[in-house]
Amino acid sequence: QSALTQPASVSGSPGQSITISCTGTGRDVGSYNLVSWYQQYPDKAPKLIIYEVSERPSGVSNRFSASKSGSTASLTISGLQAEDEADYYCCSYAGDNTSVFGTGTKVTVL
Amino acid sequence: QLQLQESGPGLVKPSETLSLTCTVSGGSISNTRYYWGWIRQPPGKGLEWIGNVYYSGNTYYNPSLKSRVTISVDTSKNQFSLTVRSVTAADAAVYFCARRAGYFYYMDVWGKGTTVSVSS
Repeated sequence: QSALTQPASVSGSPGQSITISCTGTGRDVGSYNLVSWYQQYPDKAPKLIIYEVSERPSGVSNRFSASKSGSTASLTISGLQAEDEADYYCCSYAGDNTSVFGTGTKVTVL
Repeated sequence: QLQLQESGPGLVKPSETLSLTCTVSGGSISNTRYYWGWIRQPPGKGLEWIGNVYYSGNTYYNPSLKSRVTISVDTSKNQFSLTVRSVTAADAAVYFCARRAGYFYYMDVWGKGTTVSVSS
């Protein structure tokens, strides 16, 4: 069970859109629509921002959107704001009642 | 509002056993819609899923940790626990407990995390 692959860092200017990829395999992302995304500020617990590939929990900004194609899931943050500067992790069901996280992406707002 | 709180020793000696407890408040751990789990994050690194437990006691583990990890549940205390045996420096991390939404495999409520160091 290997970690899903994410870019180490992504940056953008305020107001721009950025996309974070999350690449897995046919045993996890590619086989199930059970990808979730988490936002984590330094020294804080992760917060769920996307579940079931593209669903947003109540209270999460609609500037966050997500999708999946094959074995790669993607998270898009539109209208980038300073408060979006954080680490982002994807997570997928990986079969046999297991989960696997992505390697994490640091988002920097320039 | 559901809250989770981790507790346990912040320092464990190498080769010994790490034990943590997560106390659930504001809801029942016996709710059939949810599973309960542990996730850890070594300093400066990413999240690692450790495992889950259902209120019935059924458990599911990360294959890479399965030989050293046990997760258990105590419904009378509304708590679930994590044990990691034969710890090494690689087990030093912030340990989070979280609620998993049934068969949808996302963690929607998290504890604040507790830091565990490994040192003699």
